[in-house]
Amino acid sequence: QVQLVQSGAEVKKPGASVKVSCKASGYTFTTHHVNWVRQATGQGLEWMGWMNPKTGDTGCAQKFQGRVTMTRDTSIGTAYMELRSLRSDDTAVYYCATTPPDSTWSDSWGQGTLVTVSS
Amino acid sequence: QSVLTQPPSVSAAPGQKVTISCSGNSSNIGQNSVSWYQQLPGTAPKLLIYETDKRPSGIPDRFSGSNSGTSATLAITGLQTGDEADYYCGTWDNSLSAGVFGGGTELTVL
Repeated sequence: QVQLVQSGAEVKKPGASVKVSCKASGYTFTTHHVNWVRQATGQGLEWMGWMNPKTGDTGCAQKFQGRVTMTRDTSIGTAYMELRSLRSDDTAVYYCATTPPDSTWSDSWGQGTLVTVSS
Repeated sequence: QSVLTQPPSVSAAPGQKVTISCSGNSSNIGQNSVSWYQQLPGTAPKLLIYETDKRPSGIPDRFSGSNSGTSATLAITGLQTGDEADYYCGTWDNSLSAGVFGGGTELTVL
């Protein structure tokens, strides 16, 4: 059974960085891409980017370019998403989700990590 | 503003059928398959439909998907109160080289 367990809630000040982890289990970590999606309170889903855990290749939405870094540690089956230069409008729940290669859909999702940006 | 367009809300009575539309363009739905997600209050999204009309294991056949050109539709029959949730469509946009979602549709079962 695929399970994605994310790190706990974070409170950050504007200008700081946050790094969210996503530990995978129940499947071979390198076989599925990891996508990151965020959701501000009361708002819809916003796709942030993807990572191929096997190669380390990544891609992200234009609005996050230069501000987001997605990495992984294959030895422990964990993906990471770091967002820098945080602003108040980055306050949201951040989700990781697995996506089969060459697919456009995400079949398993983490529980979400609330990141609050406040002075 | 979302790349894919969904109605903000739909409603129907228990036992009835409801459809949720998702409109895109030739760069996204016109070239890639659509997925649908159900998000119950306070929980993570859950995959309902993938590759336009396929259901993951465990998803009842009351949920179905279809596609026509640059639009997709999610249909839910035999509505239950437990179906009250937000529903999102998603796909890949070749021009943006990015994943895209609809703005979400809130389903109310009256």
